[in-house]
Amino acid sequence: SAVISQKPSRDICQRGTSLTIQCQVDSQVTMMFWYRQQPGQSLTLIATANQGSEATYESGFVIDKFPISRPNLTFSTLTVSNMSPEDSSIYLCSVTRQTPWETQYFGPGTRLLVL
Amino acid sequence: QKEVEQNSGPLSVPEGAIASLNCTYSDRGSQSFFWYRQYSGKSPELIMFIYSNGDKEDGRFTAQLNKASQYVSLLIRDSQPSDSATYLCAVITGGGNKLTFGTGTQLKVEL
Repeated sequence: SAVISQKPSRDICQRGTSLTIQCQVDSQVTMMFWYRQQPGQSLTLIATANQGSEATYESGFVIDKFPISRPNLTFSTLTVSNMSPEDSSIYLCSVTRQTPWETQYFGPGTRLLVL
Repeated sequence: QKEVEQNSGPLSVPEGAIASLNCTYSDRGSQSFFWYRQYSGKSPELIMFIYSNGDKEDGRFTAQLNKASQYVSLLIRDSQPSDSATYLCAVITGGGNKLTFGTGTQLKVEL
């Protein structure tokens, strides 16, 4: 597996502000993903972070709300913009490596509360 | 119909018993299947993956896949209180890398 870290681990933010979450991996990975897990719910894929190009967003998620960067093979950021209380969730990054190539490993998550 | 379905539980089993967790999926083209364990307040942890029909064993865990019936299951033998968690079934759908999760089954192993 990969060693994945996320910053911050948790935060409390005011509505209307933005928060950038960082995901750092200890070695190069093939793919990086961002998920949201709302209270009591399962995981929902927000987008695939593509190195050097725009992220691929899932239905219901847009770049203006969740801009994503991936400048290299070990680092990605997710910004939650113009936050509202409905954005209170756990945000998780996951990565895949070359073998087994589809298996995703998750970071520890960022717990966000928007007041 | 949801793409990946699980019984939300809670499933309660006595310590030492076999816990059986089930999952069905709708995409007949799915080829890769995963079980994750998630403790409260923690991120999902990979337990097993399975690609081929049949059984795959790893320690106390056995994953079973039946593509014709579109179900995948996880058996936990000699259940321990430390196995109490939510178990998430996940399936690669859409022919790409998209991992779709079920809602999870909460397992409680009682002393």
